[in-house]
Amino acid sequence: AQRVTQPEKLLSVFKGAPVELKCNYSYSGSPELFWYVQYSRQRLQLLLRHISRESIKGFTADLNKGETSFHLKKPFAQEEDSAMYYCALSGQGGSEKLVFGKGTKLTVNP
Amino acid sequence: DAGVIQSPRHEVTEMGQEVTLRCKPISGHNSLFWYRQTMMRGLELLIYFNNNVPIDDSGMPEDRFSAKMPNASFSTLKIQPSEPRDSAVYFCASSSATGANYNEQFFGPGTRLTVL
Repeated sequence: AQRVTQPEKLLSVFKGAPVELKCNYSYSGSPELFWYVQYSRQRLQLLLRHISRESIKGFTADLNKGETSFHLKKPFAQEEDSAMYYCALSGQGGSEKLVFGKGTKLTVNP
Repeated sequence: DAGVIQSPRHEVTEMGQEVTLRCKPISGHNSLFWYRQTMMRGLELLIYFNNNVPIDDSGMPEDRFSAKMPNASFSTLKIQPSEPRDSAVYFCASSSATGANYNEQFFGPGTRLTVL
């Protein structure tokens, strides 16, 4: 079964500190992994996906198939990064269905 | 494009009443998704359509919930009768299987439903 686990419901860091939001997945094939972000009073939007290998707003995420992880990292957190972050998984073969983790609320303190 | 459009943005109703949520996907997108978001359960997929056909409705909680997509530009999620435990934010999202943003889901602003 497809499953996405985000072990931290809440994460609080200070501005300028590194941040890592953890995501582990369970899937028997080769999944596609995504990070979505929801800023306060805004709609959910795609932050990055592993196949694009891009850095968006300073965030990066590497797919580690051995550890079945897709942790989201940023070396220096900013206050505007405070938001809800969701890790999501899509199955192999272009399946459009996404399975989301329960989300991590990141707060960056001044 | 205005993105995915949902209406109403807020809905307050009494237990037992029928509730209808509406969604207009992005033009040209061939997949549409309905999600429910709660504090306890996070973001749950209720049902999704591909080319207006329901593909997976395993997330629909019970028979009180139904969804339709009569054409490529409109979908409804209906709850009848509504119960207080249905209170949540309901999101609609759409995606395209082709193009640079293939399989990227674009979300609507959500409908905040409160059932008293």
